[in-house]
Amino acid sequence: SQTIHQWPATLVQPVGSPLSLECTVEGTSNPNLYWYRQAAGRGLQLLFYSVGIGQISSEVPQNLSASRPQDRQFILSSKKLLLSDSGFYLCAWKSSGTVNTEAFFGQGTRLTVV
Amino acid sequence: QKEVEQDPGPLSVPEGAIVSLNCTYSNSAFQYFMWYRQYSRKGPELLMYTYSSGNKEDGRFTAQVDKSSKYISLFIRDSQPSDSATYLCGTWGISSGSARQLTFGSGTQLTVLP
Repeated sequence: SQTIHQWPATLVQPVGSPLSLECTVEGTSNPNLYWYRQAAGRGLQLLFYSVGIGQISSEVPQNLSASRPQDRQFILSSKKLLLSDSGFYLCAWKSSGTVNTEAFFGQGTRLTVV
Repeated sequence: QKEVEQDPGPLSVPEGAIVSLNCTYSNSAFQYFMWYRQYSRKGPELLMYTYSSGNKEDGRFTAQVDKSSKYISLFIRDSQPSDSATYLCGTWGISSGSARQLTFGSGTQLTVLP
């Protein structure tokens, strides 16, 4: 069966520090991968998605970047965190073989920038 | 106009009540709809999905799509305190590049009182 792992679960970082959040998927090949951010009381905002290794599409211009160095690995990064980067970050995957199919989420990383 | 709109609530019901959670969507081309349940500080968990119109039932949960009015609903029968969570509706939105975007409503916060 397929599983998605996301870490760390919580993170407190000072303003100006770098960030690296990692997401890995097991049990499938060539998944579509997504990074979302969820602000308190708000919906899910799509940040990045990837359809293959090295292929990243950005949906929102911001202080963050994403990379996909391996087929089932998706990394969210920042060189210098801002206070506004605080939030709940979620990684998700779906099968690339079908347009309309379920998406599955990791357990999220709660980031607090202080 | 947002692709998916959802009443944020909060919604509070007594245990055993029938709960109705609703979303509207903007594009009649959308066909695949998902409902997620998200407990506090956790990632969204896929609850149900439906394709095109009609009803789909799974235990105490029923998902309904009315394409004529672009309205999707999730009904919870015999609601339990363990159903207390935020419920998110989602659909595969407008294609962007080589992958569709999974777009969500803002979520409805449900509390079932014992």
